Amino acid sequence: AQSVTQLDSQVPVFEEAPVELRCNYSSSVSVYLFWYVQYPNQGLQLLLKYLSGSTLVKGINGFEAEFNKSQTSFHLRKPSVHISDTAEYFCAVTLNFGNEKLTFGTGTRLTIIP
Amino acid sequence: DTGVSQDPRHKITKRGQNVTFRCDPISEHNRLYWYRQTLGQGPEFLTYFQNEAQLEKSRLLSDRFSAERPKGSFSTLEIQRTEQGDSAMYLCASSARDRGGTGELFFGEGSRLTVL
Repeated sequence: AQSVTQLDSQVPVFEEAPVELRCNYSSSVSVYLFWYVQYPNQGLQLLLKYLSGSTLVKGINGFEAEFNKSQTSFHLRKPSVHISDTAEYFCAVTLNFGNEKLTFGTGTRLTIIP
Repeated sequence: DTGVSQDPRHKITKRGQNVTFRCDPISEHNRLYWYRQTLGQGPEFLTYFQNEAQLEKSRLLSDRFSAERPKGSFSTLEIQRTEQGDSAMYLCASSARDRGGTGELFFGEGSRLTVL
């Protein structure tokens, strides 16, 4: 079975500074990877996904992630954060190409400091 | 496109009572999912439907839980004889068929259950 580890439960960052949210997965077969974001009092929404192809994936709101098979990682990055990026970020994985049965990590709460 | 809606948003009940949650997916989305999220954890898969067919159920879904999607549109999740351990946020999500691929999940805001 696959699993996802988000190494940081909370990440405080100053506004306009860069940020990296870490995600590692464990699986012995090919995986499909996702980052979802949950803004306060809203439902989760997709930031980006890796299914195949280029290992650098660009998402919404200036975020990007890099799939690293040898490191089994899919870290999320943004070069300059804004107050509006304050949210909970979830990394997720599935082995099943054809449905959306995802295994989520425990989440990272990103707090932007003005 | 009005998004995924869930009702009720909050439910407080006493242990042993039955509760039912409703989810209205985005119209024309053929897949509907239920996830459960407890404090400090990420969402956990419970079950999913493709149209009206329930294709998979997690081992987390005990016999006290039942989900239906009778006409392939809205879905209900019923919990019978609730226990305090059932307290959680119940999330519904839908997705459109993506030529057999893995599509984007659109989540509702969730139904928070508190069992006293």
